[in-house]
Amino acid sequence: DQQVKQNSPSLSVQEGRISILNCDYTNSMFDYFLWYKKYPAEGPTFLISISSIKDKNEDGRFTVFLNKSAKHLSLHIVPSQPGDSAVYFCAASPQDNAGNMLTFGGGTRLMVKP
Amino acid sequence: KAGVTQTPRYLIKTRGQQVTLSCSPISGHRSVSWYQQTPGQGLQFLFEYFSETQRNKGNFPGRFSGRQFSNSRSEMNVSTLELGDSALYLCASSFETLDGLNEKLFFGSGTQLSVL
Repeated sequence: DQQVKQNSPSLSVQEGRISILNCDYTNSMFDYFLWYKKYPAEGPTFLISISSIKDKNEDGRFTVFLNKSAKHLSLHIVPSQPGDSAVYFCAASPQDNAGNMLTFGGGTRLMVKP
Repeated sequence: KAGVTQTPRYLIKTRGQQVTLSCSPISGHRSVSWYQQTPGQGLQFLFEYFSETQRNKGNFPGRFSGRQFSNSRSEMNVSTLELGDSALYLCASSFETLDGLNEKLFFGSGTQLSVL
């Protein structure tokens, strides 16, 4: 039972355009969500998070949107850069407590073409 | 500030053997979590330790165990290795405030375990 799903295994975008990565969840107890980026042979690095009391959080080129009623979140990267090419994971936690168990989606491989 | 350090980076073992992986968290972080990454299952939570106590446990068999030392360093052990245990094992640490809130996880580069 996948509680966090990233339905697109890969996404290809032209440099300078917007990248939109999507994530769906099923567990209503999740109320803290995070996005991580992973390069090959490295551990995931934190990108941005959002609490369920918000519907949007922005950090530079990265914006995360949360739609609680649809149990859906998305990560927007604008403008996309070749260095953004990596695997992106969304993760969820039942409370604002990322040190506890995180449930990860399967990841989306983003390729930004120059 | 040094990041999360995992040793070794690569390991090759045969079925039936046991293995111990090591993790040194970021200084000041008392929570250490372990995750398994496989191509088919993605990132799955193994367990979390805080102040030398296992606080959370994922859905893995008892062959997977761990511990945390007083300096917050952690080890995980897998006994009676199976082919399906081949994976990237990631350790992550986080800082927990006095009121129990954890900041984001910081991951190490992982230990790539191959079971032959």
